[in-house]
Order: sequence, then structure tokens, then C-alpha cells
Amino acid sequence: DIQMTQSPSTLSASVGDRVTITCRASQSISSWLAWYQQKQGKAPKLLIYKASSLESGVPSRFSGSGSGTEFTLTISSLQPDDFATYYCQQYNSYPWTFGQGTKVEIK
Amino acid sequence: QVQLVQSGAEVKKPGASVKVSCKASGYTFTGYYMHWVRQAPGQGLEWMGWINPNSGGTNYAQKFQGWVTMTRDTSISTAYMELSRLRSDDTAVYYCARENYDSSGYSKGSFDYWGQGTLVTVSS
Repeated sequence: DIQMTQSPSTLSASVGDRVTITCRASQSISSWLAWYQQKQGKAPKLLIYKASSLESGVPSRFSGSGSGTEFTLTISSLQPDDFATYYCQQYNSYPWTFGQGTKVEIK
Repeated sequence: QVQLVQSGAEVKKPGASVKVSCKASGYTFTGYYMHWVRQAPGQGLEWMGWINPNSGGTNYAQKFQGWVTMTRDTSISTAYMELSRLRSDDTAVYYCARENYDSSGYSKGSFDYWGQGTLVTVSS
């Protein structure tokens, strides 16, 4: 199975900050990576697919980059609605696997 | 609008089985693979497998092979996930999630719509 490792596990930031979350794959997954946002008690929401493609309706302050084994999710200017947990997910090979999550907290 | 509505919370004893339903609306049910993902309390997300609602074909994560069964009823646009021989560590929220496709019908490999989740509690 491909292991997905996110860093940091927790991130404290303020409104307006630029935030970057990293996801590393245990082997190359090309660009077959998605990012999700999950709020407490809710289902995840798709933000990015194919490493850098913004899902329809997702604000442009979210962006993704990377390929191979290293990927990043960037929020250009953190908004109050963005405090949540973020997960990466690879779909290069089965079983599809998720990172352990990064919680973005208010500083 | 696309909606996935799941069945309600369940409490089961160890060794029992649970069957969770996921009713789809707002799109052609047979046109999109349906996946199941679970999340233990305070933990991350775990992919369980998918069902092709058109053919009924399935693909399960190896971890769940032999004790998960995914089925569907196309007449009511509903997918089901049944987990047998439940243990306490199967306590989790179970989600159905639709696989994401582009306008040409190619998979985007991600999940664009999710059910609200079904909490399954396994306790003696």
C-alpha cells in the first residue's frame, strides 16, 4: 500500500496568513492526488484533484502543486471559514489511501 | 442537485453485521462508481472499496475482503455496504462517496459528493 504522510499534523495560523501543507507519498503517484477539507461532524469536501486542478466552486485562494512523491496545498490568505482539517488522498493505485490529516487552528 | 442520503445511526454487538444504505438523487445512479470510506472517532479516513452501480462489479480493499459486501438496487438508486463479524474497532462513521468524472467521462479519481455519514457503534 502507498503511505501518505502529511506535515505538519497541526498548524496554528491567523486570518490572512499564507498556509502551506505538505503531503508525501511512499512511492511515486504521478499527479494522482486530491485534497479535501473536513469540518467537525461533516463529510469531507473536495478542493483539488490531479494535484493542482481546482474543483468547481472552490475559492481560488486554494491551490495545489507537486508531482511524484511530494505535494503541497496552499491557502493564499486564510479565511475564518478555512479552519478545518485537511486530507490528501492518492488514487494512483489501490487501495486508495489518505494522509493522516492536518488540523488548521486559530492562532 | 446531487444528493447522497445515508441511513441512520446503528448500534451493534460484536460479531453482528450492519448494512448501511446510500440513496442517490440528482444524477444518473448507474453512471458513477460509488465508494465507501470510513472514519473512526478522532481518526483519519480509510477507503474500503467501490461498487459499479451499472454492472454490480466491486473492488474491495484487501483489508476488508471477506467481510464487506457492497451491493446496489438500481430501481431505487441505492447503494449498500454490509460489514459482517463486527468488532469494537469497527466503530466509525461510514460514508458513501461518488467518484468524480470529467465531462469526457474520465475518472478524476477523487470524490465529489459525499453522504452525510452513518455512525456505526459496536459495543457489548
